[in-house]
Amino acid sequence: ETGVTQSPTHLIKTRGQQVTLRCSSQSGHNTVSWYQQALGQGPQFIFQYYREEENGRGNFPPRFSGLQFPNYSSELNVNALELDDSALYLCASSLGQGMAFFGQGTRLTVV
Amino acid sequence: SQQGEEDPQALSIQEGENATMNCSYKTSINNLQWYRQNSGRGLVHLILIRSNEREKHSGRLRVTLDTSKKSSSLLITASRAADTASYFCATWDDYKLSFGAGTTVTVRA
Repeated sequence: ETGVTQSPTHLIKTRGQQVTLRCSSQSGHNTVSWYQQALGQGPQFIFQYYREEENGRGNFPPRFSGLQFPNYSSELNVNALELDDSALYLCASSLGQGMAFFGQGTRLTVV
Repeated sequence: SQQGEEDPQALSIQEGENATMNCSYKTSINNLQWYRQNSGRGLVHLILIRSNEREKHSGRLRVTLDTSKKSSSLLITASRAADTASYFCATWDDYKLSFGAGTTVTVRA
């Protein structure tokens, strides 16, 4: 078990809606990253936050946005949901380029 | 593009047998990590091997790293039903972890 918790665990949204996913990081970890994992694929990097600033971004459109709070917890927001956004969204916290601790993920289904 | 690629894509073994899976990566690394994922849940960190290490053990896990070939292998010995999962190798690509598509291991009782 890691100290990273994500909420909610499952979510069903309608195409065009907006969604917010939440993540609390491992104690002491100031870096939080978000990944999208489609069925049968490996996780794909969305973006990373370090000390409340976006530190890097993968190949995802601007309708994917995020926030990191002073306590290092984080949110992932997705606007104008599309069917292809259906996936498992994973949050990971880390210290530098070491082990990453992942949450249990949020399963998002867009209908 | 993905940094790591696992091989094989799927593996089915009998309980008690060993499972070996391989990973290739593209760029120079500081370390390589292996993760396990059960039934589409979160990833669990298994082991980290540094670029100056050639082999590392953790319980029933043995990881090797060949930086000249840009490859790594994960061996699970004496497999159990609970080892049924997907296994991913991952490397740091600047600020992000890059994963392959994973190896799905099924351990039959």
